[in-house]
This record gives sequence, C-alpha cells and structure tokens, in this order.
Amino acid sequence: NAGVTQTPKFRVLKTGQSMTLLCAQDMNHEYMYWYRQDPGMGLRLIHYSVGEGTTAKGEVPDGYNVSRLKKQNFLLGLESAAPSQTSVYFCASSWSSYNEQFFGPGTRLTVL
Amino acid sequence: AQSVSQHNHHVILSEAASLELGCNYSYGGTVNLFWYVQYPGQHLQLLLKYFSGDPLVKGIKGFEAEFIKSKFSFNLRKPSVQWSDTAEYFCAVGSNDYKLSFGAGTTVTVRA
Repeated sequence: NAGVTQTPKFRVLKTGQSMTLLCAQDMNHEYMYWYRQDPGMGLRLIHYSVGEGTTAKGEVPDGYNVSRLKKQNFLLGLESAAPSQTSVYFCASSWSSYNEQFFGPGTRLTVL
Repeated sequence: AQSVSQHNHHVILSEAASLELGCNYSYGGTVNLFWYVQYPGQHLQLLLKYFSGDPLVKGIKGFEAEFIKSKFSFNLRKPSVQWSDTAEYFCAVGSNDYKLSFGAGTTVTVRA
C-alpha cells in the first residue's frame, strides 16, 4: 500500500496564479484533511472531509477550496495565490475522528 | 475548540540524556491524545496514542507518555536519547468534532 500520496512535491507560483494539490489514499479511509505547516505554528487545519461528497472548513480556510468527488481523493485548490500562502501543505486521512491520522509526504509551495 | 500548548520550542540535548516534552490541552471532555514525530525532510509519523485505559502509554523507539487527566497533560518521555531522535515533535488532541488540534511543536536537537 502507498498510504497517503501528494502531488506535486514542490511548486513555485506567482501571485494571482491558481493551482490544485492532489491527495490520494488507498486505505479506504472516510476522513481526509488538509493542513498547512508554518514555522512556530504547528499544523493548522485548512479543510476536512468526513466522507465522499462532503467538505467542511477548518481553522484557516480563507483563500482555499476543496473537493472530495471520490472517496480516495481530496483536492485542495488555490484560486488566486498570495505570498501568505507560502507554506508546506500536508494531507492526512483516518478511519474516524478518534483514530490516528496518516500523513502524506507534503507539498512545499512558494508564492512569489 | 480545544487548544494545545507545548512548553518548549527548542530543546538541545546530548546523547544518552533523558528527554521530557510537555503538552497541555484545554478541553474538559473526552479526548484522544497523540504524539507525532517529524524527522528532517519527512512527513509526520505517529509515535504513540492514548484513547483510554492505562495512562502510561508506550510507543515506538522507546518513547512513552503519561496522561494526567487532572492536569490536562500528556507529556512525552524517553530515558536515553540518540542522535537519530533529532526531529520535531507534535502533541495533538482529538475530541468529538472530527478534528485534531496540534501544538506548535518542539524541535529536539540531539548532539553526538
């Protein structure tokens, strides 16, 4: 099993450009999450999903959109990138809200 | 929503020294508690977790943590660290709202 995978691993954008980050999991998990990691701030939840076709806002949802059209995939979109969105983005999945989350390898995004 | 605080931002140790990292949370209901580790350049991996039962939990690589409900704490310990324990450590708390709340993280540097 690959676990949780993320595409791409690195990306550089110019301000105002758009992009989509893809997260895929092969563990049949119901729950999926997108976090951003910034120095000294730990992981902050952007959006999450409790099942196919559902999404919900986390702590820092502004400037991001998500979709969960298939159970195994969770997409994170930036419609108009800003330098404040420079960060490392992690996707995670879990069986339920009470279980451990499994993390992907991360995407390092730089917005110039 | 719960908050999680980790007492130390950066800890520097010599090999064979003992390690203790503090974690406190602010939620009065039933919680699940986790410690994750992030080695340089890698994604988060689960070190240990507490759901219920014995408040002293043993994890991988010789780590353990103690849940003290009255103090809202879940401190991580290792009796004798190795150079390979150099990493960032995150405490996380889950409750009944589908999400984990992460602390800001503690960077541990072990000097040979």
